[in-house]
Amino acid sequence: QKEVEQNSGPLSVPEGAIASLNCTYSDRGSQSFFWYRQYSGKSPELIMSIYSNGDKEDGRFTAQLNKASQYVSLLIRDSQPSDSATYLCAVRGFNKFYFGSGTKLNVKP
Amino acid sequence: SQTIHQWPATLVQPVGSPLSLECTVEGTSNPNLYWYRQAAGRGLQLLFYSVGIGQISSEVPQNLSASRPQDRQFILSSKKLLLSDSGFYLCAWSLGGNYGYTFGSGTRLTVV
Repeated sequence: QKEVEQNSGPLSVPEGAIASLNCTYSDRGSQSFFWYRQYSGKSPELIMSIYSNGDKEDGRFTAQLNKASQYVSLLIRDSQPSDSATYLCAVRGFNKFYFGSGTKLNVKP
Repeated sequence: SQTIHQWPATLVQPVGSPLSLECTVEGTSNPNLYWYRQAAGRGLQLLFYSVGIGQISSEVPQNLSASRPQDRQFILSSKKLLLSDSGFYLCAWSLGGNYGYTFGSGTRLTVV
């Protein structure tokens, strides 16, 4: 059973701070990793994907991947109240994704 | 560009009634299609996925079924709903490979 683990939170950060969201996965052969953001009552939306070790930056978001440690993270710089949501980590398997249970982020004004 | 349509947005059904949720994708061919359910405050549970017309893989044994009658159409059904079927149902598509999922807007089902 492939597993994706996330701290459920909530993670509370003040506005303007860096939010760090973490995810570990069990399948050492995994190659593709994704972060989704889900606002309350809405469907998840893809915000980042990463396939290679290291960092990938997109605006205020940085995804970090360490395949040796089976660890993927998402950093949100200059956090805004609008970033308050649940963040889901996903790992691609054969024909399907494995999702973590999500980390709830609260950004306080 | 590709779009995914899912309807209805909300649904209230009595226990024992049938269910049919439909999902269609536009702007692509031969997508992988998925049905997920999310209980209140919980994570995503994969119910079914399909990599082609008539090909359905079931992840969780239950009183739900899925069908893919056309390349870009995915239907979730039940003959008799249970209270435990309540939840947020999400359809998603992907081209496979390193492509991510794109989710539909979801159907919030309440079984009463």
